[in-house]
Amino acid sequence: QVQLVQSGSEVKKPGASVKVSCKASGYIYTSYYIHWVRQAPGHGLEWMGVFNPTNTRIKYAQILQGRVSMTRDTSTSTFYMELSNLRSDDTAVYYCARPQVDGTEVDAFDIWGQGTLVTVSS
Amino acid sequence: DIQMTQSPSSLSASVGDGVAITCRTSQKIFKFLNWYQQKPGKAPKLLISAASSLQSGVPSRFSGSGSETDFTLTISSLQPEDFATYYCQQSYTTPITFGQGTRLDIK
Repeated sequence: QVQLVQSGSEVKKPGASVKVSCKASGYIYTSYYIHWVRQAPGHGLEWMGVFNPTNTRIKYAQILQGRVSMTRDTSTSTFYMELSNLRSDDTAVYYCARPQVDGTEVDAFDIWGQGTLVTVSS
Repeated sequence: DIQMTQSPSSLSASVGDGVAITCRTSQKIFKFLNWYQQKPGKAPKLLISAASSLQSGVPSRFSGSGSETDFTLTISSLQPEDFATYYCQQSYTTPITFGQGTRLDIK
């Protein structure tokens, strides 16, 4: 069964960093890009960036440049998204998502993680 | 960035009604337009890709149409489980952008 399983909820203080994990299973994880999307409470979906697991290249949403990084652990087929210098408006559910077609950077997302709530509060 | 204008932002309808949600893009994206359904506390679910390709397991009352800059998601004969929020998304280029969502409520 193809799935992405994310780490649990986090509560962080402003200025801290958070690292969310996304474990891939049921498919060859190096064959598909991984995207990160977030959703603030009561708001819509915001694309954060995309990670190429073949060469580890990343494209970020410009608004997050300098604060977000994306990595992987090949030994566990796990992807990570780390957001630094957290602010209250970073409070959101963070999703990892997989494109429908292997080797395609930009495509419809047919597989999503269950989401990770990150709360930023002093 | 490609801007997505989705309308209406909210919609009230009854079981059995048909509804249409539109999505307009700020530049031509051919057919690189996808539709998602999201229920509270859940991840989005892909309904339609490439403007009109119905995903496996999605009921045939859902359909998509359009190309270039104007797209429509149509739900015929609403069922209770269809009341949710719907998003369009362009997959033509990065940055990927989404419509602001349409909340579909029971009248």
